[in-house]
Amino acid sequence: ETGVTQTPRHLVMGMTNKKSLKCEQHLGHNAMYWYKQSAKKPLELMFVYSLEERVENNSVPSRFSPECPNSSHLFLHLHTLQPEDSALYLCASSQDIRGTEAFFGQGTRLTVV
Amino acid sequence: AQSVTQLDSHVSVSEGTPVLLRCNYSSSYSPSLFWYVQHPNKGLQLLLKYTSAATLVKGINGFEAEFKKSETSFHLTKPSAHMSDAAEYFCVVSDLQKLVFGTGTRLLVSP
Repeated sequence: ETGVTQTPRHLVMGMTNKKSLKCEQHLGHNAMYWYKQSAKKPLELMFVYSLEERVENNSVPSRFSPECPNSSHLFLHLHTLQPEDSALYLCASSQDIRGTEAFFGQGTRLTVV
Repeated sequence: AQSVTQLDSHVSVSEGTPVLLRCNYSSSYSPSLFWYVQHPNKGLQLLLKYTSAATLVKGINGFEAEFKKSETSFHLTKPSAHMSDAAEYFCVVSDLQKLVFGTGTRLLVSP
């Protein structure tokens, strides 16, 4: 248990559905992240939040919409996804955004059908 | 910009034999370096970290890594592999703004 909890662990959704991924950290960290991990590809950083403010958006399609209501919670809202969006989505947190070690959740395995 | 290169996509060892996972980094200043492990369908777990203190870093589960500035390397080792060590391992460098991940090395352990 790393102190970062993601729900759900598994999600199957159709291309017209709207769903949300949730992440909660209990470590008192100030930074939170969404990563995408696809088979045979390097880990992709999607979004970075520092003190609830988005500081980085790495050219992620608008069908992915992050939300950070407070420093302990992070959401990823999904709508009109494509099959190629199927992947393991990992949430992480760190003390700050200065490249300190990150602590990861267990991930949500997303399948788009 | 900082980068890491994991030299092997797969490493196969027998249980009880030593493990060596290789990592080279590129950095314009003294970096922070990490090794993470990921078991199937799980998140990444921090194994160990180097932050400019001792060059030989000990981590969890018997793993250690040595920072060698002259070789720009940060190889991960373990004297004796266990079946439970089978997983994917990521070498990571910090560029003071974010973590930069290597492409990973899959460790296979046979009985």
